[in-house]
Amino acid sequence: GAVVSQHPSWVICKSGTSVKIECRSLDFQATTMFWYRQFPKQSLMLMATSNEGSKATYEQGVEKDKFLINHASLTLSTLTVTSAHPEDSSFYICSAQTLASQETQYFGPGTRLLVL
Amino acid sequence: GNSVTQMEGPVTLSEEAFLTINCTYTATGYPSLFWYVQYPGEGLQLLLKATKADDKGSNKGFEATYRKETTSFHLEKGSVQVSDSAVYFCALTLTNAGGTSYGKLTFGQGTILTVHP
Repeated sequence: GAVVSQHPSWVICKSGTSVKIECRSLDFQATTMFWYRQFPKQSLMLMATSNEGSKATYEQGVEKDKFLINHASLTLSTLTVTSAHPEDSSFYICSAQTLASQETQYFGPGTRLLVL
Repeated sequence: GNSVTQMEGPVTLSEEAFLTINCTYTATGYPSLFWYVQYPGEGLQLLLKATKADDKGSNKGFEATYRKETTSFHLEKGSVQVSDSAVYFCALTLTNAGGTSYGKLTFGQGTILTVHP
């Protein structure tokens, strides 16, 4: 149980286009979802926290107008990278947690984005 | 602020060797400590956790003890296997005095472990 999926697993896009990444909790309801960014050989950096039905809370230095997060249901959160540029190329990972187990986060396999 | 520092990798061992991956942290308040593992092509999985000082987390032969006096949470395994090859992340989350988590995880930089037959 507690499986989180991400789609797509990798995406290549042209500079200036927008890319949407989906994060789904397959067998549980996720009251909170987190979005992380991971650079090569570096740690995961939290970008934002989203609670179902409310606006996401962004970490300092993360542009909310560039990284749009929507958490419309208890099983789905989306991250849209708007007007992507090569510096947005990275590995994006989501995680989900339930109200009953707030210390445990279940992670998706990640989405690799390459902006040309 | 809060931070987690792991020993730099990569770590390469022979099968059945002893493993230690060092992890130290700085945090305000009451951190809970975690080790996550990321196998090739998969998402991070919780390996073990400890929520208060002197707690020992254990799973799949791995152990880590929450040492408040040295602010450490070193990961150990007595005899590694090829299947343990993965990236290991130390992490913390803050909790309030009642033990309720604030949810946000702060990660170390990850340590790549490769085990050869």
